[in-house]
Amino acid sequence: GAVVSQHPSRVICKSGTSVKIECRSLDFQATTMFWYRQFPKQSLMLMATSNEGSKATYEQGVEKDKFLINHASLTLSTLTVTSAHPEDSSFYICSARGQGFYEQYFGPGTRLTVT
Amino acid sequence: EDQVTQSPEALRLQEGESSSLNCSYTVSGLRGLFWYRQDPGKGPEFLFTLYSAGEEKEKERLKATLTKKESFLHITAPKPEDSATYLCAVWEANDYKLSFGAGTTVTVRA
Repeated sequence: GAVVSQHPSRVICKSGTSVKIECRSLDFQATTMFWYRQFPKQSLMLMATSNEGSKATYEQGVEKDKFLINHASLTLSTLTVTSAHPEDSSFYICSARGQGFYEQYFGPGTRLTVT
Repeated sequence: EDQVTQSPEALRLQEGESSSLNCSYTVSGLRGLFWYRQDPGKGPEFLFTLYSAGEEKEKERLKATLTKKESFLHITAPKPEDSATYLCAVWEANDYKLSFGAGTTVTVRA
């Protein structure tokens, strides 16, 4: 149980275009979802937290107009990187937490490369 | 000040050589401490949740323990497939997010 999927696993896009990443909880209802970014050989950096049906809460320094997060249902959250630039290239990971339990379960991650 | 500190940064073990990883934390109230395993290019895999001092959890060759200031992840008789980065995270009371340590990268040689 407690499986989280992400799609796509890898994406390459041109500078200036937008990219959408999906995060789904497959076997539980995710009341809270989190989006992280991870640089090589570094730990996870939280970008934003979203609760179903509410606006996302962004961490300090994260541009909310660039990283659009939508948590439209209890099983789906999306991260859209708008007007992507090479510096947005990174490994993006989502996680989900269900009502009544403490654990966060992570997706497999999405490798974004902006050329 | 870092809330979660993991040591060592890297650990190289011979197959069968048991060892321990440390996670020390400073929070005003602990809601939970979590251990994750992360393989290169993948998302973290949940291992354990510990809630209170004295608690222990086991899974195969891994055993996690918790005191009021730190947690240990013991790896008994490791195998090469135990090679990974092990992440510790704490959930502080009155907070909505996890605070992660930098991780310990374990390499087990056959």
